[in-house]
Amino acid sequence: SQTIHQWPATLVQPVGSPLSLECTVEGTSNPNLYWYRQAAGRGLQLLFYSVGIGQISSEVPQNLSASRPQDRQFILSSKKLLLSDSGFYLCAWKAGNSPLHFGNGTRLTVT
Amino acid sequence: GENVEQHPSTLSVQEGDSAVIKCTYSDSASNYFPWYKQELGKRPQLIIDIRSNVGEKKDQRIAVTLNKTAKHFSLHITETQPEDSAVYFCAASSGGGSYIPTFGRGTSLIVHP
Repeated sequence: SQTIHQWPATLVQPVGSPLSLECTVEGTSNPNLYWYRQAAGRGLQLLFYSVGIGQISSEVPQNLSASRPQDRQFILSSKKLLLSDSGFYLCAWKAGNSPLHFGNGTRLTVT
Repeated sequence: GENVEQHPSTLSVQEGDSAVIKCTYSDSASNYFPWYKQELGKRPQLIIDIRSNVGEKKDQRIAVTLNKTAKHFSLHITETQPEDSAVYFCAASSGGGSYIPTFGRGTSLIVHP
């Protein structure tokens, strides 16, 4: 069966520091991969999605970037975090006719 | 692009009552409508979905109805229990290779024991 791993679960980083969040999917090949952000008490904001290795689409302009170095690996990065980057970051995957499945999320607090 | 409106933003019911959450969408090409439940601090999890070739789907206490003509779909929860308390998100998409669902803003359901 398919599983998605996302880490770390929580992260506290100072303003101006770099960020790297990683997500991997097991049990499927060539999935669509997604990064969402959820501010406290708010909805799901799509940040990036990828339909294949090296193919990244950005939904909103920001100081974040994403990369897909391998088929089942999706990385969210920032060179310098802002206070407004705080939130709950969710990786998600979809393959074929499967529904969208979310990882357990990373709660990021920028101080 | 697609636009999904979800109402109400907050819904408070007594245990045992029914709860209904409604969503409307704008793109007539949308053909897949999932519903997610997100408990506090957890990830959203799919609870039920419906495709445009079906008008209604049920799974125990949960049902979803779809009206393609009016472009709206609803989640119905019967005999609510305190563990149903969560934020519920609807979504709409037109499928295809680059599946990009558009989510509603969420409904916070509170079930009072």
